[in-house]
Amino acid sequence: DVKVTQSSRYLVKRTGEKVFLECVQDMDHENMFWYRQDPGLGLRLIYFSYDVKMKEKGDIPEGYSVSREKKERFSLILESASTNQTSMYLCASSLVVGGLAGGFSYEQYFGPGTRLTVT
Amino acid sequence: AQTVTQSQPEMSVQEAETVTLSCTYDTSESDYYLFWYKQPPSRQMILVIRQEAYKQQNATENRFSVNFQKAAKSFSLKISDSQLGDAAMYFCAYRPYYNNDMRFGAGTRLTVKP
Repeated sequence: DVKVTQSSRYLVKRTGEKVFLECVQDMDHENMFWYRQDPGLGLRLIYFSYDVKMKEKGDIPEGYSVSREKKERFSLILESASTNQTSMYLCASSLVVGGLAGGFSYEQYFGPGTRLTVT
Repeated sequence: AQTVTQSQPEMSVQEAETVTLSCTYDTSESDYYLFWYKQPPSRQMILVIRQEAYKQQNATENRFSVNFQKAAKSFSLKISDSQLGDAAMYFCAYRPYYNNDMRFGAGTRLTVKP
């Protein structure tokens, strides 16, 4: 079974703090994703990585950055946390089928989520 | 940009009954995947069922089946013989065949009454 883990289930940070959210997957997946989940809005993609050190912006990258130094680990960084970044953050990974970077893939496997509160 | 619409924020069903969750999407692509994901309370999101757009046959996984209407851009999920463990948020998702741009609907919260 694919396992995607996230470093914290709940996190409380103060405005202006630098926040690191960690995600690790154990199935050698090429693709990894960070989403933000808000009520009534579903999941929105923040950043996507299809290989080590490779990243692409999603729909809402402002205020966030990412790091992928190892294939199994994908970090989301809030450079200076703000109250409007209070949300549930979900990490996901997927296999690439077809051998193309960023190419074909099937379903995404999700981590348990980190509920971040910024006060 | 592709969009996914789930028009039912909340649904409820009696245990052992059948319920249908609606999803519509907007795309100009001809090749794509559609997914239903389940997110139980405080638990990880898991895939329920997947449909490839080029397949005319509706996907089925045990008690879960879909009604895929490509021309109408509709992708509903039917849950038969509902169980208490089916209570969850259900997300409809769309992904073009050639990239990883997954789009999610806002979700439908399903309650199962004993």
